[in-house]
Amino acid sequence: GAGVSQTPSNKVTEKGKYVELRCDPISGHTALYWYRQSLGQGPEFLIYFQGTGAADDSGLPNDRFFAVRPEGSVSTLKIQRTERGDSAVYLCASSPGTGARDTQYFGPGTRLTVL
Amino acid sequence: GENVEQHPSTLSVQEGDSAVIKCTYSDSASNYFPWYKQELGKGPQLIIDIRSNVGEKKDQRIAVTLNKTAKHFSLHITETQPEDSAVYFCAASINYKLSFGAGTTVTVRA
Repeated sequence: GAGVSQTPSNKVTEKGKYVELRCDPISGHTALYWYRQSLGQGPEFLIYFQGTGAADDSGLPNDRFFAVRPEGSVSTLKIQRTERGDSAVYLCASSPGTGARDTQYFGPGTRLTVL
Repeated sequence: GENVEQHPSTLSVQEGDSAVIKCTYSDSASNYFPWYKQELGKGPQLIIDIRSNVGEKKDQRIAVTLNKTAKHFSLHITETQPEDSAVYFCAASINYKLSFGAGTTVTVRA
Protein backbone atom coordinates (compact mmCIF):
# COMPACT_ATOMS: atom_id res chain seq x y z
CA GLY A 1 0.00 0.00 0.00
CA ALA A 2 0.95 3.66 -0.16
CA GLY A 3 3.44 4.88 2.37
CA VAL A 4 3.83 8.26 4.02
CA SER A 5 4.13 11.01 1.43
CA GLN A 6 5.51 14.51 1.85
CA THR A 7 5.34 17.56 -0.36
CA PRO A 8 7.25 19.36 -1.62
CA SER A 9 10.35 17.18 -1.77
CA ASN A 10 12.52 20.30 -1.88
CA LYS A 11 11.79 23.84 -0.82
CA VAL A 12 14.11 26.80 -1.23
CA THR A 13 13.09 30.05 0.41
CA GLU A 14 14.59 33.33 1.51
CA LYS A 15 15.27 34.35 5.08
CA GLY A 16 12.18 35.86 6.65
CA LYS A 17 9.65 34.07 4.43
CA TYR A 18 6.84 31.76 5.50
CA VAL A 19 6.75 28.09 4.45
CA GLU A 20 4.33 25.21 4.73
CA LEU A 21 5.33 21.56 4.55
CA ARG A 22 2.70 18.88 3.99
CA CYS A 23 2.48 15.29 5.21
CA ASP A 24 0.05 12.59 4.08
CA PRO A 25 0.22 9.69 6.54
CA ILE A 26 -0.56 6.06 5.83
CA SER A 27 -4.33 5.66 5.58
CA GLY A 28 -5.87 4.74 8.90
CA HIS A 29 -2.88 5.71 11.02
CA THR A 30 -4.02 7.75 13.99
CA ALA A 31 -0.62 8.92 15.21
CA LEU A 32 1.54 11.38 13.25
CA TYR A 33 4.96 12.75 14.07
CA TRP A 34 7.27 15.45 12.73
CA TYR A 35 11.05 15.21 13.07
CA ARG A 36 13.86 17.44 11.85
CA GLN A 37 17.13 16.01 10.55
CA SER A 38 20.18 18.21 10.22
CA LEU A 39 23.07 17.17 8.02
CA GLY A 40 25.00 14.26 9.49
CA GLN A 41 22.64 13.84 12.43
CA GLY A 42 19.80 11.62 13.45
CA PRO A 43 16.21 12.87 13.32
CA GLU A 44 15.07 15.02 16.25
CA PHE A 45 11.50 14.93 17.53
CA LEU A 46 9.38 18.03 16.96
CA ILE A 47 5.72 17.20 17.57
CA TYR A 48 3.29 14.29 17.93
CA PHE A 49 -0.40 14.22 16.98
CA GLN A 50 -2.93 11.71 18.22
CA GLY A 51 -5.92 12.28 15.96
CA THR A 52 -6.48 15.99 15.48
CA GLY A 53 -4.77 17.20 18.61
CA ALA A 54 -1.10 17.87 19.29
CA ALA A 55 -0.41 15.51 22.18
CA ASP A 56 3.20 16.65 22.58
CA ASP A 57 4.80 19.70 20.96
CA SER A 58 7.78 19.85 23.28
CA GLY A 59 10.27 19.47 20.42
CA LEU A 60 9.23 22.60 18.52
CA PRO A 61 12.26 24.91 18.80
CA ASN A 62 10.34 28.19 19.20
CA ASP A 63 7.05 29.88 18.45
CA ARG A 64 7.91 30.37 14.77
CA PHE A 65 7.08 26.69 14.31
CA PHE A 66 3.49 25.46 14.30
CA ALA A 67 1.75 22.32 13.05
CA VAL A 68 -1.85 21.37 12.46
CA ARG A 69 -3.83 18.26 11.61
CA PRO A 70 -7.40 19.55 11.33
CA GLU A 71 -9.14 16.38 10.16
CA GLY A 72 -6.92 13.80 11.78
CA SER A 73 -5.17 12.82 8.55
CA VAL A 74 -3.04 15.29 6.58
CA SER A 75 -0.73 17.50 8.62
CA THR A 76 0.97 20.76 7.78
CA LEU A 77 4.11 22.07 9.46
CA LYS A 78 4.28 25.85 9.27
CA ILE A 79 7.40 27.93 9.78
CA GLN A 80 7.19 31.70 10.06
CA ARG A 81 10.02 34.19 9.51
CA THR A 82 12.39 31.47 8.39
CA GLU A 83 16.04 31.65 9.44
CA ARG A 84 19.10 30.05 7.86
CA GLY A 85 19.35 27.73 10.85
CA ASP A 86 15.98 26.22 9.91
CA SER A 87 17.61 24.56 6.90
CA ALA A 88 17.24 20.80 7.36
CA VAL A 89 15.26 17.80 6.17
CA TYR A 90 11.83 17.70 7.78
CA LEU A 91 10.56 14.15 8.19
CA CYS A 92 7.04 13.01 8.87
CA ALA A 93 6.14 9.62 10.29
CA SER A 94 2.90 7.86 11.14
CA SER A 95 1.98 4.85 13.23
CA PRO A 96 -1.19 2.77 13.37
CA GLY A 97 -2.05 2.89 17.05
CA THR A 98 -1.79 5.04 20.06
CA GLY A 99 1.88 5.69 19.51
CA ALA A 100 3.07 3.77 22.53
CA ARG A 101 5.85 1.56 21.10
CA ASP A 102 4.10 1.32 17.72
CA THR A 103 6.31 1.20 14.66
CA GLN A 104 6.80 4.60 13.09
CA TYR A 105 6.87 4.66 9.29
CA PHE A 106 8.74 7.59 7.79
CA GLY A 107 8.15 9.58 4.64
CA PRO A 108 10.94 10.69 2.28
CA GLY A 109 11.19 14.12 3.87
CA THR A 110 11.15 17.70 2.65
CA ARG A 111 14.55 19.31 2.26
CA LEU A 112 14.21 22.95 3.31
CA THR A 113 16.91 25.41 2.33
CA VAL A 114 16.75 28.95 3.69
CA LEU A 115 19.00 31.36 1.78
CA GLY B 1 15.58 13.58 28.27
CA GLU B 2 16.89 10.47 26.59
CA ASN B 3 20.44 10.59 25.17
CA VAL B 4 21.50 7.95 22.64
CA GLU B 5 25.12 7.51 21.61
CA GLN B 6 26.07 5.44 18.57
CA HIS B 7 29.43 3.99 17.48
CA PRO B 8 31.20 3.87 15.15
CA SER B 9 30.28 6.85 13.00
CA THR B 10 31.66 5.14 9.90
CA LEU B 11 32.22 1.47 9.14
CA SER B 12 33.79 -0.11 6.07
CA VAL B 13 33.56 -3.88 5.63
CA GLN B 14 34.43 -6.36 2.94
CA GLU B 15 31.48 -8.00 1.23
CA GLY B 16 30.58 -11.16 3.10
CA ASP B 17 31.99 -9.98 6.42
CA SER B 18 29.91 -8.94 9.44
CA ALA B 19 29.12 -5.43 10.61
CA VAL B 20 28.39 -4.46 14.20
CA ILE B 21 27.00 -1.13 15.41
CA LYS B 22 26.65 -0.32 19.09
CA CYS B 23 24.41 2.13 20.92
CA THR B 24 24.00 3.21 24.52
CA TYR B 25 21.09 5.06 26.07
CA SER B 26 20.69 7.04 29.25
CA ASP B 27 17.10 6.63 30.43
CA SER B 28 16.41 3.28 32.06
CA ALA B 29 12.69 3.79 31.38
CA SER B 30 13.21 3.36 27.61
CA ASN B 31 11.39 0.26 26.48
CA TYR B 32 11.52 0.16 22.68
CA PHE B 33 14.63 0.10 20.49
CA PRO B 34 14.21 0.28 16.70
CA TRP B 35 16.93 0.35 14.06
CA TYR B 36 16.45 2.31 10.85
CA LYS B 37 18.30 2.24 7.54
CA GLN B 38 18.46 5.44 5.53
CA GLU B 39 19.58 5.61 1.92
CA LEU B 40 20.57 8.84 0.23
CA GLY B 41 17.60 11.10 -0.39
CA LYS B 42 15.14 8.80 1.36
CA GLY B 43 13.45 8.63 4.72
CA PRO B 44 14.52 6.16 7.43
CA GLN B 45 13.19 2.64 6.95
CA LEU B 46 12.68 0.31 9.90
CA ILE B 47 14.79 -2.85 9.57
CA ILE B 48 14.38 -4.45 12.98
CA ASP B 49 13.23 -3.53 16.47
CA ILE B 50 13.39 -4.98 19.94
CA ARG B 51 11.33 -4.43 23.03
CA SER B 52 12.56 -4.45 26.57
CA ASN B 53 11.13 -7.84 27.48
CA VAL B 54 13.51 -9.70 25.15
CA GLY B 55 17.30 -9.81 24.92
CA GLU B 56 17.84 -10.80 21.32
CA LYS B 57 15.93 -10.85 18.05
CA LYS B 58 16.96 -12.12 14.64
CA ASP B 59 15.59 -11.62 11.14
CA GLN B 60 17.56 -13.39 8.43
CA ARG B 61 20.98 -11.66 8.24
CA ILE B 62 20.11 -9.02 10.84
CA ALA B 63 20.12 -9.44 14.60
CA VAL B 64 19.76 -7.07 17.53
CA THR B 65 20.79 -7.62 21.13
CA LEU B 66 19.70 -5.65 24.17
CA ASN B 67 21.35 -5.42 27.57
CA LYS B 68 19.02 -3.42 29.81
CA THR B 69 21.33 -3.59 32.82
CA ALA B 70 24.15 -1.96 30.91
CA LYS B 71 21.76 0.18 28.83
CA HIS B 72 23.21 -0.78 25.51
CA PHE B 73 22.00 -2.49 22.36
CA SER B 74 23.71 -3.60 19.18
CA LEU B 75 22.94 -4.32 15.54
CA HIS B 76 24.66 -7.23 13.80
CA ILE B 77 24.58 -7.69 10.04
CA THR B 78 26.07 -10.94 8.76
CA GLU B 79 27.16 -11.82 5.22
CA THR B 80 27.10 -8.18 4.18
CA GLN B 81 26.16 -7.29 0.62
CA PRO B 82 26.71 -4.09 -1.40
CA GLU B 83 23.04 -3.17 -0.95
CA ASP B 84 23.61 -3.01 2.80
CA SER B 85 25.59 0.21 2.22
CA ALA B 86 23.60 3.02 3.87
CA VAL B 87 23.37 5.08 7.05
CA TYR B 88 22.01 3.16 10.03
CA PHE B 89 20.36 4.80 13.03
CA CYS B 90 19.55 3.33 16.39
CA ALA B 91 16.81 4.84 18.52
CA ALA B 92 15.37 4.50 21.98
CA SER B 93 11.83 5.29 22.99
CA ILE B 94 9.72 5.88 26.04
CA ASN B 95 6.23 5.58 24.60
CA TYR B 96 6.07 7.47 21.30
CA LYS B 97 9.07 9.79 21.33
CA LEU B 98 12.04 8.34 19.43
CA SER B 99 15.52 9.59 20.38
CA PHE B 100 18.02 8.78 17.65
CA GLY B 101 21.74 8.21 17.62
CA ALA B 102 23.88 10.24 15.22
CA GLY B 103 24.09 7.42 12.68
CA THR B 104 26.67 5.01 11.26
CA THR B 105 27.64 5.19 7.61
CA VAL B 106 28.23 1.61 6.47
CA THR B 107 30.14 0.95 3.28
CA VAL B 108 30.33 -2.60 1.94
CA ARG B 109 33.33 -3.06 -0.36
CA ALA B 110 32.84 -5.49 -3.24
